[in-house]
Amino acid sequence: AQKVTQAQTEISVVEKEDVTLDCVYETRDTTYYLFWYKQPPSGELVFLIRRNSFDEQNEISGRYSWNFQKSTSSFNFTITASQVVDSAVYFCALSVATQGGSEKLVFGKGMKLTVNP
Amino acid sequence: DGGITQSPKYLFRKEGQNVTLSCEQNLNHDAMYWYRQDPGQGLRLIYYSQIVNDFQKGDIAEGYSVSREKKESFPLTVTSAQKNPTAFYLCASSMVYLYGYTFGSGTRLTVV
Repeated sequence: AQKVTQAQTEISVVEKEDVTLDCVYETRDTTYYLFWYKQPPSGELVFLIRRNSFDEQNEISGRYSWNFQKSTSSFNFTITASQVVDSAVYFCALSVATQGGSEKLVFGKGMKLTVNP
Repeated sequence: DGGITQSPKYLFRKEGQNVTLSCEQNLNHDAMYWYRQDPGQGLRLIYYSQIVNDFQKGDIAEGYSVSREKKESFPLTVTSAQKNPTAFYLCASSMVYLYGYTFGSGTRLTVV
């Protein structure tokens, strides 16, 4: 089954702390993509990163970094020196190819991050 | 600016009524999707469409219907057969094949 597990449901940290959001996935596809999205209180999901299954290099974008490990089927997301504006629900997602050639995304249940001043 | 517009932002429905949620995109994306979000449940796929006049059921299609008469539009009707329609509904679109989604800002439906 194609599945994404975000074991942590809610985390609360103090500003400037580092925080890691875990994501474990299951798929039978050999080619797939993994995503992270951020959902602030306004509700709209904001795209953060897309990583394909053949690229296991870690990626850093400012205070955000991602660690993709195919051997453990994990795609973890770390926020360094967290800020209050990072408070949101974060979703990990896995692409599943459809017969028609497009994709559909399977989402984890999300992890609510609260950063306190 | 290109994007996805969902309307209305808030919607109230009486039990037994059908209601239609609007989703319009000007990104020239081929594929469009409807997801439902409930607290602690993540996002679950209702319907998706890869081309005009074609759509497929997702994981929780019962009690919902869609149409795709134009590339830009993918309205979702929540019918009276949907037993628990109160939720946050998100529309998304994507270019064909493994590119990721662009999301709308959502419609919060409440049954009163």
